[in-house]
Amino acid sequence: DQQVKQNSPSLSVQEGRISILNCDYTNSMFDYFLWYKKYPAEGPTFLISISSIKDKNEDGRFTVFLNKSAKHLSLHIVPSQPGDSAVYFCAASSSNFNKFYFGSGTKLNVKP
Amino acid sequence: DSGVTQTPKHLITATGQRVTLRCSPRSGDLSVYWYQQSLDQGLQFLIQYYNGEERAKGNILERFSAQQFPDLHSELNLSSLELGDSALYFCASSVSRDRARTEAFFGQGTRLTVV
Repeated sequence: DQQVKQNSPSLSVQEGRISILNCDYTNSMFDYFLWYKKYPAEGPTFLISISSIKDKNEDGRFTVFLNKSAKHLSLHIVPSQPGDSAVYFCAASSSNFNKFYFGSGTKLNVKP
Repeated sequence: DSGVTQTPKHLITATGQRVTLRCSPRSGDLSVYWYQQSLDQGLQFLIQYYNGEERAKGNILERFSAQQFPDLHSELNLSSLELGDSALYFCASSVSRDRARTEAFFGQGTRLTVV
């Protein structure tokens, strides 16, 4: 049962433009959401998170938006850089259960 | 460097065999999670331990088991291996059992190839 879905397996963006990665979830119990970035041959690294009490969290070039009514979150990267090329996973968790649920990932390619 | 160490990095073994993957969490982290990633798929949660006790179970096969030792390192045991068990196995750690405000830090993974 895929409770966190990333429907776009890949995304290609020109350097300097905005990258928007999307994620949908089904479980309304989720109250904490995270984005991870993964380079080949490395483990995922934490990028940014958002609590369900907020609808936006910003960290430098990265902004995560949460739309609870739509059960949707997105990660915006502005401006995109070639070094951002990686697989991005969204994840969700809840204080009611002891695990993170991950999406299947979106492979971002930022072209110079 | 996330501070989470996984060994070995690569493992090639035959079907029917048994292997043990090892994880050392970040200093101070009490929770250890194991994930499986197959064929560029998402991260499938296997199991979580907190301070030596099993806290949550995911899609972990009966042929697989894990434990967390008093020094907080963890081992994932995979037995009667099948070709389909070939995957990347990640370990992650976090400070607390309640992850509502805590991110998990991942190791570099162990790539298991079953031939």
